[in-house]
Amino acid sequence: EAQVTQNPRYLITVTGKKLTVTCSQNMNHEYMSWYRQDPGLGLRQIYYSMNVEVTDKGDVPEGYKVSRKEKRNFPLILESPSPNQTSLYFCASSPTGVSNQPQHFGDGTRLSIL
Amino acid sequence: AQKVTQAQTEISVVEKEDVTLDCVYETRDTTYYLFWYKQPPSGELVFLIRRNSFDEQNEISGRYSWNFQKSTSSFNFTITASQVVDSAVYFCALSQPYNAGNMLTFGGGTRLMVKP
Repeated sequence: EAQVTQNPRYLITVTGKKLTVTCSQNMNHEYMSWYRQDPGLGLRQIYYSMNVEVTDKGDVPEGYKVSRKEKRNFPLILESPSPNQTSLYFCASSPTGVSNQPQHFGDGTRLSIL
Repeated sequence: AQKVTQAQTEISVVEKEDVTLDCVYETRDTTYYLFWYKQPPSGELVFLIRRNSFDEQNEISGRYSWNFQKSTSSFNFTITASQVVDSAVYFCALSQPYNAGNMLTFGGGTRLMVKP
């Protein structure tokens, strides 16, 4: 089954404790991205990757890092999480970075930073 | 800059009623793409439809229909004979060819509650 898989689905942690949210897709997609969802704001893009070893900032990149060493994986790293990063996070992928292609989203990761 | 506005934050209807979710967008580009996504209570995001800016034909898929009007920069979504399973948050989104990163600009979402 074609899917985008995120782990963990839920995480409660404390300020300053480094964490990584993994994202993996099995569709051989070149393009991957991360969004955060906050009430009333919809989803906002954090980082994206057009292909392996090519990553760039989205709209709200502060406090996050990413890497794209393999095509299928695109982890999101919070080096020193803070309470304002409490949010629902989504990883997405599409065949390429062409804007008319729908993005396939993972099931989401709910992060709570205390 | 682009923007998507979903003015209705929450709508409540009774099963079998028709309901329309509004979406208004702003963009300076003549080429762009509009999307609707559904987020059921389980939390995942489900792609519903994509519309190109140069194709103003309305679309119907079962109980779902979409009305795209460039003149009013709107891309509204109607559910006919709503069902409880339609209860979800619905997002309208916009993307443009010249956006760095193929970024989707989302509206704030409309929470639809369908009561039995």
